[in-house]
Amino acid sequence: AQSVSQHNHHVILSEAASLELGCNYSYGGTVNLFWYVQYPGQHLQLLLKYFSGDPLVKGIKGFEAEFIKSKFSFNLRKPSVQWSDTAEYFCAVNAPGGSQGNLIFGKGTKLSVKP
Amino acid sequence: DTAVSQTPKYLVTQMGNDKSIKCEQNLGHDTMYWYKQDSKKFLKIMFSYNNKELIINETVPNRFSPKSPDKAHLNLHINSLELGDSAVYFCASKGVGSYNEQFFGPGTRLTVL
Repeated sequence: AQSVSQHNHHVILSEAASLELGCNYSYGGTVNLFWYVQYPGQHLQLLLKYFSGDPLVKGIKGFEAEFIKSKFSFNLRKPSVQWSDTAEYFCAVNAPGGSQGNLIFGKGTKLSVKP
Repeated sequence: DTAVSQTPKYLVTQMGNDKSIKCEQNLGHDTMYWYKQDSKKFLKIMFSYNNKELIINETVPNRFSPKSPDKAHLNLHINSLELGDSAVYFCASKGVGSYNEQFFGPGTRLTVL
């Protein structure tokens, strides 16, 4: 069965610091990978996604993620965080053609950015 | 304009009651989902549904049942509510094909007293 691990439960950074959130998945075949963000009290929004092609994916709000197949990883990065990036971040995976495209989520990483 | 909408946003009820949460999407998507987010923010799929197939996560109690009156709606009905059902429930939808992202609704915070 597919699973997703997010290594950091809670990350606290100061504004302008660089961010990297780890995500590893367990599935031997082709996967689609996603990062979603959940701002306080809001619903999940897609930050970026990887299906194929260039393993470095750029998303909204200056976020990017790199797919490293050999490491089964899809880490999220941002060079300089802002206070408004305070949110919960979820990595998710599904297998193309898998059962109705169900997403398997990691447990989330809470990011707190101090002004 | 809201792509995926849910009602109500908040639901507070007593143990043992039966309640429903409604979900509507205006994206023309074929597949809809229900997720449960627990107090630790962990998101878990409950159901996925299109007009052909309902797939139930085997860990979901049969007190939970999705009902789809049409392609744009997938409501969640819960019988005999328990304290452990307190959570935020998210509806989502996805278009045809494996390369489409899921769009999430705003969530319904259910509190069972």
